[in-house]
Amino acid sequence: AQSVTQLGSHVSVSEGALVLLRCNYSSSVPPYLFWYVQYPNQGLQLLLKYTTGATLVKGINGFEAEFKKSETSFHLTKPSAHMSDAAEYFCAVSDLISGANSKLTFGKGITLSVRP
Amino acid sequence: GAGVSQSPSNKVTEKGKDVELRCDPISGHTALYWYRQSLGQGLEFLIYFQGNSAPDKSGLPSDRFSAERTGGSVSTLTIQRTQQEDSAVYLCASSFQGGAKETQYFGPGTRLLVL
Repeated sequence: AQSVTQLGSHVSVSEGALVLLRCNYSSSVPPYLFWYVQYPNQGLQLLLKYTTGATLVKGINGFEAEFKKSETSFHLTKPSAHMSDAAEYFCAVSDLISGANSKLTFGKGITLSVRP
Repeated sequence: GAGVSQSPSNKVTEKGKDVELRCDPISGHTALYWYRQSLGQGLEFLIYFQGNSAPDKSGLPSDRFSAERTGGSVSTLTIQRTQQEDSAVYLCASSFQGGAKETQYFGPGTRLLVL
C-alpha cells in the first residue's frame, strides 16, 4: 500500500512570502500524486496533480509542485502568499484497489496561516 | 448543480440512533467514494463504488457501517447504533471511471455529531 507523510501540522508565513508545504510518499509503483486544498467548512478542491510527463506541475491559484523520484517528494510551493491562501492542504497518492481502479490515501494535512 | 452534493450538511444525533447520509455525485461519474475526516485519524477511505457494486469496502470501521448505491447515481451511507467515536465529517467524492490518474471531486461533507 502507498503512504504519504506531511511533516508538521501547521505552517505560518507572512503575506508575500514564499509558501513551501512538504510531502513525501512511499510507493511500490510509479505514483500518481495530488494536492488538495480545504477551506473552512468546505470540501476538498484539487490544486494540482502529477500523473506522467513533466515533473513540474502548475496548478490553480499560483501553486506548483515538483515530483522528485530520487527524493520521493512532491512539495507544494507558491512564490508569494496571499491572505486567501489560508486553508488546510492535503497531499495524496493514488492507491490501487482492483483492476485499474483506485482510491486516495491522504497525508495528515497541513494548516497554512498567512500573517498580514 | 454541476458538483457533488451531500445532505444533510449537519447532523446531530443521540448515541444509539441510526443515521443516513446521502451523496449525489456528478452526473455521468461511475466511481463514487466515501471518506471520513476526523481530528484524530485525518482523512480515511471508507468504501468505493463502481456503478452499483462496491468492490472495496475495506475502510468501513465496523459492521454498524453500510452503504449502497442505486441507479448508478445516489449513494447512502448508513451508520447504525451510532457511537460518539463516529463523530466526524463524512465526505463523498466521485470520478469519471475510478482510474488512478483521475481527479476525484469532493462534496462539501456532512458533519456528524453524536451526543
